[in-house]
Amino acid sequence: DGGITQSPKYLFRKEGQNVTLSCEQNLNHDAMYWYRQDPGQGLRLIYYSQIVNDFQKGDIAEGYSVSREKKESFPLTVTSAQKNPTAFYLCASSINAGRTYEQYFGPGTRLTVT
Amino acid sequence: GDSVTQMEGPVTLSEEAFLTINCTYTATGYPSLFWYVQYPGEGLQLLLKATKADDKGSNKGFEATYRKETTSFHLEKGSVQVSDSAVYFCALRTNAGKSTFGDGTTLTVKP
Repeated sequence: DGGITQSPKYLFRKEGQNVTLSCEQNLNHDAMYWYRQDPGQGLRLIYYSQIVNDFQKGDIAEGYSVSREKKESFPLTVTSAQKNPTAFYLCASSINAGRTYEQYFGPGTRLTVT
Repeated sequence: GDSVTQMEGPVTLSEEAFLTINCTYTATGYPSLFWYVQYPGEGLQLLLKATKADDKGSNKGFEATYRKETTSFHLEKGSVQVSDSAVYFCALRTNAGKSTFGDGTTLTVKP
């Protein structure tokens, strides 16, 4: 089955540690995205990538970093510089960045930092 | 910039009631419009979409019509079921490669 996988589902870290969230897709999609979702709120874009080896900052990129070395993988690192990292993180992909294409979402990773 | 405004929730309905969730948008280009649904603890799933004015998207009894003159994309369903309880997100997408999402509307359907 084609889809997007995110691991782990739940992640716990101590304050001051960097943590990397995994996102893999086997849909052969060019574009990939990371969003942050806080309780009762919509999705806020962290980073996106339209093609391998290229990515752009979204609306809330501070304290986060990404890489896109392979088409199927787009890992997100939450650094210690992120002031409020506890949230639900969603990875998504689409065929490309064209306006008619919907996004496919992974199941999410819930990160708790204490 | 682009923005999406959704009807505030939560919305609570009885089974078989009629559902409307309002969505209006502002966009600098010519957007496509989407409704996504999110069940507890999961990612979003596409419910329906429309890519040009007057298009009607439909799926699983849900419908929404792209109204350019009123910049709206309201979601409707004639008879809701308990299994429709979820959070619904309206979104737009332009050729800039990014999507803009509303804040979501929580729907609870009671038997």
